[in-house]
Amino acid sequence: GAGVSQSPRYKVAKRGQDVALRCDPISGHVSLFWYQQALGQGPEFLTYFQNEAQLDKSGLPSDRFFAERPEGSVSTLKIQRTQQEDSAVYLCASSLVTTSNQPQHFGDGTRLSIL
Amino acid sequence: TQLLEQSPQFLSIQEGENLTVYCNSSSVFSSLQWYRQEPGEGPVLLVTVVTGGEVKKLKRLTFQFGDARKDSSLHITAAQPGDTGLYLCAGNSGGSNYKLTFGKGTLLTVNP
Repeated sequence: GAGVSQSPRYKVAKRGQDVALRCDPISGHVSLFWYQQALGQGPEFLTYFQNEAQLDKSGLPSDRFFAERPEGSVSTLKIQRTQQEDSAVYLCASSLVTTSNQPQHFGDGTRLSIL
Repeated sequence: TQLLEQSPQFLSIQEGENLTVYCNSSSVFSSLQWYRQEPGEGPVLLVTVVTGGEVKKLKRLTFQFGDARKDSSLHITAAQPGDTGLYLCAGNSGGSNYKLTFGKGTLLTVNP
């Protein structure tokens, strides 16, 4: 499809395990964002890439969270030593250019459950 | 920290009724976007408003951006069951800051 694709759709992990979440943005989109959405809440910003450069990681909750976009396309969000409070839906969004009013196109998210 | 407060948090109405959802902040935003999110899916953009006082219409939905660019409203006329979903407002402070600050959302249920 032509939209933002995220995988896996669902991930269950035991506390302490490492997880990796993948985002395939819309082809040609320069900007890529990661958001965390807790149950019953709006999405909260985690980090932002412009091509392969990570320009803003101010929303990452701790140093257990790491994101990369090495070739300026696919991105991976990695969470090390997962904890129960990491349980949430992780949303990826992309936009065509790097202007502040540019609409962001969201994927359907990865629902992460930490047992 | 910029915050967006949405009200009401929950809204359950009958088909055919009108409703308004509010999005308020003490901060000025360069632009404000409204999204609709259905269960198990990502948010889908409905509209972007940029100019203070701007009004945009999308079929039965009317969006307004406050004159001071601190608040916005979404009005739905003659709601239908297909309008059911989580409505999210999201602001951008502009400049080199591209991230969106979201409100907590309004969960709308339209009963047939």
